[in-house]
Parts: sequence; C-alpha cells; structure tokens
Amino acid sequence: EAQVTQNPRYLITVTGKKLTVTCSQNMNHEYMSWYRQDPGLGLRQIYYSMNVEVTDKGDVPEGYKVSRKEKRNFPLILESPSPNQTSLYFCASRPTGTGPYRQYFGPGTRLTVT
Amino acid sequence: QKEVEQNSGPLSVPEGAIASLNCTYSDRGSQSFFWYRQYSGKSPELIMFIYSNGDKEDGRFTAQLNKASQYVSLLIRDSQPSDSATYLCAVHLSGYSTLTFGKGTMLLVSP
Repeated sequence: EAQVTQNPRYLITVTGKKLTVTCSQNMNHEYMSWYRQDPGLGLRQIYYSMNVEVTDKGDVPEGYKVSRKEKRNFPLILESPSPNQTSLYFCASRPTGTGPYRQYFGPGTRLTVT
Repeated sequence: QKEVEQNSGPLSVPEGAIASLNCTYSDRGSQSFFWYRQYSGKSPELIMFIYSNGDKEDGRFTAQLNKASQYVSLLIRDSQPSDSATYLCAVHLSGYSTLTFGKGTMLLVSP
C-alpha cells in the first residue's frame, strides 16, 4: 500500500529537549515536505526536499532542521523546542515534474511543548 | 508572492443541497489545481485535481477551473453530513514542485 508514515503520532515534551520526528514513504517519490498546521493559519511549509541531499527552506523554517540522506526518509529535527512549536505536523511526498501529481500526506504528529 | 485565497467559512448547507466552495489564486503561471478534504485532526486527502479550463466531474464532486479569472471551485451535490470538513485548495505552479495551499473553507452540512 502506498503510504507516508510518521512517528511518533503524539509527543509531549519540554522546552529545550531535542527531538526528531521521522517520516518515511514507500512510493520512491523524489519530493518530500514538512508542514505545520495551526488554527486559522492553514498549512505552512517548513522545509522541502527535491531529492537526496537537496533540501530548501519553506515559509516557516526557523527552529527546525531536516536531512535527506535516503530517498525514502525525511526526518524533522527540533534542536531546542519551544512552546510556539506546539502544532500539528504533516509530512508529505509526491513525484517531481510538471504533471498534476497527487501529494500524499502522512497521518500527522501532534506535538506539545511545555 | 504566490497566494491562494479561500473564504474561511463556515459554509453551512442543509443535507441534500449543493455546496459551492471557491478559491482564487494570484499567479497566472499556475498549472494544476487540487482540492483536499480534511477532517479535524486528520491528514488532508485528495478529492480532485483539474488542470484544464472547464468542469471535471467525479461522482458528487465537480471541479471548475477558469484560468482567465484565476478561479477554481468545487461543487458538492447532494451534500451529506459526512461531507462536513475543511476543504483545502492547492495550486501547483509550473517549474516548482511545491504546492501552495489556501487556508481552507470549513463546510458544515446539517441533517
């Protein structure tokens, strides 16, 4: 089954404690992306990756890091989480190119930083 | 600046009615247009995409695209309470892989 998986699904942590949210896709997609979603603000892109070792900032990259060492994985790293990073996070993937390619979303990770 | 605008709603319709959701976009280079449905706390799921001017129908859903007016809409016929969700419009600009999302319109279908 084609899917994007994220772990953990729920996480409560404290300010300053480094954490990693994993994302993996089994569709051999080149493009992967991280979003955060907050009430009234919609989906905002954090980082994206066009392929292995190619990453770029989205609209709200501050406080986040990513890496793309393998095509299937795109982890999101919060080196020193703060309460304003409390949010619902989605990983997504799609093929690159000019076609109307569907973007697949992971199930989401609800993060609370106290 | 690429922008996608949607009325935040909520749009309230009675069961069985037609729900009309609208989206405008700023970049004339936009090529593909997507409608996603999102239930509260869940991930967005693709309903339809369209890339040619005119209408595209899939079951109870019809997507309409007017590139001259930079306008895309989603019609839901025979609305059901299970259609109550937030609908996200997304636009793909040619030459970019990133999709630009609107903030979504909340639809409420009352029994």
